[in-house]
Amino acid sequence: GAGVSQSPRYKVAKRGQDVALRCDPISGHVSLFWYQQALGQGPEFLTYFQNEAQLDKSGLPSDRFFAERPEGSVSTLKIQRTQQEDSAVYLCASRLAGGNEQFFGPGTRLTVL
Amino acid sequence: KNQVEQSPQSLIILEGKNCTLQCNYTVSPFSNLRWYKQDTGRGPVSLTIMTFSENTKSNGRYTATLDADTKQSSLHITASQLSDSASYICVVTVTNTGNQFYFGTGTSLTVIP
Repeated sequence: GAGVSQSPRYKVAKRGQDVALRCDPISGHVSLFWYQQALGQGPEFLTYFQNEAQLDKSGLPSDRFFAERPEGSVSTLKIQRTQQEDSAVYLCASRLAGGNEQFFGPGTRLTVL
Repeated sequence: KNQVEQSPQSLIILEGKNCTLQCNYTVSPFSNLRWYKQDTGRGPVSLTIMTFSENTKSNGRYTATLDADTKQSSLHITASQLSDSASYICVVTVTNTGNQFYFGTGTSLTVIP
């Protein structure tokens, strides 16, 4: 595709529900990043993949957060037993191997009631 | 502690006027600094990137400066347009991994007619 796409664009969940957010990176981009952006804040790093390998997950706020990229392309960020503090925009970005620019998707706005 | 701070937090200017946004960082070791523009409901889009040896970079009406000694950067917008209304985020990359990105909280710019 022409850019990074994310789905759904908006998600409303009741507290305690599990959610899955999808990211389709730019074709051929090796690196994939997930970020959490609270209202009025800059994005905060969650996790990073190089191909299918999750090389850094230091930003995941709790063990309720899980990300995977089994075939090295599409990635899913799963949040179990959602809490109100999980409400945020979740951004995905991809990058070419050796590149220094990340290309961001439009984000998924998650609202936990 | 690696931090990126931006000022002002928000700014309102008249169409056609110039403005300057500030970014101070304590990130080390420094690799590069990017300015991103984030429209409401969209992912960030890169405007400029500067490495340690560069002290100015232009992209149309956007001019970024970098003082690596004082660890300060600025983004100057000339002859502002209504479409410049967005959040502007400063992002600093750490040298050793190339995968650690530190985001500022952004400056929200509103251009009014």
